[in-house]
Amino acid sequence: DGGITQSPKYLFRKEGQNVTLSCEQNLNHDAMYWYRQDPGQGLRLIYYSQIVNDFQKGDIAEGYSVSREKKESFPLTVTSAQKNPTAFYLCATTIALSNQPQHFGDGTRLSIL
Amino acid sequence: AQSVTQLDSHVSVSEGTPVLLRCNYSSSYSPSLFWYVQHPNKGLQLLLKYTSAATLVKGINGFEAEFKKSETSFHLTKPSAHMSDAAEYFCVVSSYGGATNKLIFGTGTLLAVQP
Repeated sequence: DGGITQSPKYLFRKEGQNVTLSCEQNLNHDAMYWYRQDPGQGLRLIYYSQIVNDFQKGDIAEGYSVSREKKESFPLTVTSAQKNPTAFYLCATTIALSNQPQHFGDGTRLSIL
Repeated sequence: AQSVTQLDSHVSVSEGTPVLLRCNYSSSYSPSLFWYVQHPNKGLQLLLKYTSAATLVKGINGFEAEFKKSETSFHLTKPSAHMSDAAEYFCVVSSYGGATNKLIFGTGTLLAVQP
């Protein structure tokens, strides 16, 4: 089955620690996105990538970093510079340069220890 | 600039009664509009999409939405609510242009279905 796999489902971060969230897709989509979801605020865009080896900052990129070395993978690192990382993180994909809807993974919930 | 406003943060209905979730949008050109549903601790699932074809859009699970340009609205309806419809619903406008199709999300409407 084609789909998007996010792992882990739950993740805990200690103070001063970087953590990496995984997003893998086998939909053969070019574009991939990372969103942060907080209660009552909808989804906010962190980073997105239209093609391999290229990515762009979204609306709330500070304290986060990404890479896109393979079409299938778009990992997100939450760095120690992100002072309020507790949130639900969602990865999405779509066909690039189109108005087709995005497909979402099941998310990773990140909490602070 | 584009934006989307969901007029109700919470809606409660009884099972078997109609559902109406309201959404207004702002767009400087003809938008693409979507409704997504999210169950607890899950990703978002596409219910339906409007991309400038028919103004009445039918989606999955009996949901439909009507695009009304004069009212800048895209309300989601269902004739008869089911317990499994209890979830959070997001109205979304696509900011397509240039090199990306960024999505602008509403803040969500939490639908409760009473037995």
